[in-house]
Amino acid sequence: DAKTTQPTSMDCAEGRAANLPCNHSTISGNEYVYWYRQIHSQGPQYIIHGLKNNETNEMASLIITEDRKSSTLILPHATLRDTAVYYCIVRVGTSYDKVIFGPGTSLSVIP
Amino acid sequence: GAVVSQHPSWVICKSGTSVKIECRSLDFQATTMFWYRQFPKQSLMLMATSNEGSKATYEQGVEKDKFLINHASLTLSTLTVTSAHPEDSSFYICSARQLYYEQYFGPGTRLTVT
Repeated sequence: DAKTTQPTSMDCAEGRAANLPCNHSTISGNEYVYWYRQIHSQGPQYIIHGLKNNETNEMASLIITEDRKSSTLILPHATLRDTAVYYCIVRVGTSYDKVIFGPGTSLSVIP
Repeated sequence: GAVVSQHPSWVICKSGTSVKIECRSLDFQATTMFWYRQFPKQSLMLMATSNEGSKATYEQGVEKDKFLINHASLTLSTLTVTSAHPEDSSFYICSARQLYYEQYFGPGTRLTVT
């Protein structure tokens, strides 16, 4: 799998949009960008994934650059419950691969 | 749907004893299950992958004789930490997948070895 680079930590004011960047400059054409998050002392939670196009669901939006070398996860209105470690992972979709976690970004939502 | 449970959620055991952690897929059949370990302030580390009815495949550096994994049915996998020591204290997380579908994660089990 391609490697990703994320900032170690970020802060965001409650109610504002949280924009979490991820670099994946060596991503292959058949690899998807996945985002998971882990709230303290809980198991990871799937957020969203995409291949080329921007994606949106009830939790977040995923913006992927045209060259696919980077992406941004957007939490439109961050709440205190969004404080967590966010992992950007590149993988070959829903095949016989496995989710390998990097260090992720620790997001703190501040009141 | 796609719920994965773990039992127990936390366990304390004495050094030298063995402890078993269960992972269940509640509403789907998990052909593949994964076990991760997470130390404080670190990321999750994949320990092993198991397919139902087959022997588990362990990641490099993981002692297969110490961490026994059984995936005897499509809804249950167990991780047994044998002869546990304080350095085995960690957060253990399982994940389950049905064929080509997504991996779903359990809530984790906190193991403390005294």
